[in-house]
Amino acid sequence: QKEVEQNSGPLSVPEGAIASLNCTYSDRVSQSFFWYRQYSGKSPELIMSIYSNGDKEDGRFTAQLNKASQYVSLLIRDSQPSDSATYLCAVNKGYSSASKIIFGSGTRLSIRP
Amino acid sequence: GAGVSQSPRYKVAKRGQDVALRCDPISGHVSLFWYQQALGQGPEFLTYFQNEAQLDKSGLPSDRFFAERPEGSVSTLKIQRTQQEDSAVYLCASSSGRQGDTEAFFGQGTRLTVV
Repeated sequence: QKEVEQNSGPLSVPEGAIASLNCTYSDRVSQSFFWYRQYSGKSPELIMSIYSNGDKEDGRFTAQLNKASQYVSLLIRDSQPSDSATYLCAVNKGYSSASKIIFGSGTRLSIRP
Repeated sequence: GAGVSQSPRYKVAKRGQDVALRCDPISGHVSLFWYQQALGQGPEFLTYFQNEAQLDKSGLPSDRFFAERPEGSVSTLKIQRTQQEDSAVYLCASSSGRQGDTEAFFGQGTRLTVV
């Protein structure tokens, strides 16, 4: 079992709809959780971080964390063609300082006009 | 600097050649990470530094891979006797290391092609 699991997709969502991306992790001691966006040929860009159970909203993005279920998700509202990218879920066991950050293999998201 | 800087952006190496990849982290960032990313895959952890101390090198795939950060700032990833399977994008990331701040930011990466 991989430490961070994501559905590879592609996930196709119509423009203006909500895109829902999911991630599970295996290590219960994990403390910090991140979503990165990666366009083809580019490096990962941090878009959301979440540390506590519940929801965290930032503009059109909402990250959701459920530590009991070891589950993290990212919702993208009012999806735009520019949201088409690979979304990487990442998990860090450290809280006081960064330690090893483990990435999932990513979910490819395609927003169709 | 304003962001994480990596050089070179592209490197073509003949099989068996040694290469050195450089990472200049965000100024003041204590933590530095190296990742390897193959096409269509997520970044795979290689090694992690806190200041000059290499705290975790469990992801280095073989003893041909070596990383250093002698003064706690710039880091170099060295690959000796490169093989075709080493072809990948090598990503460097840095984090402040401050209490409760574990966000890591990536450089543009070095695309290594071994021919």
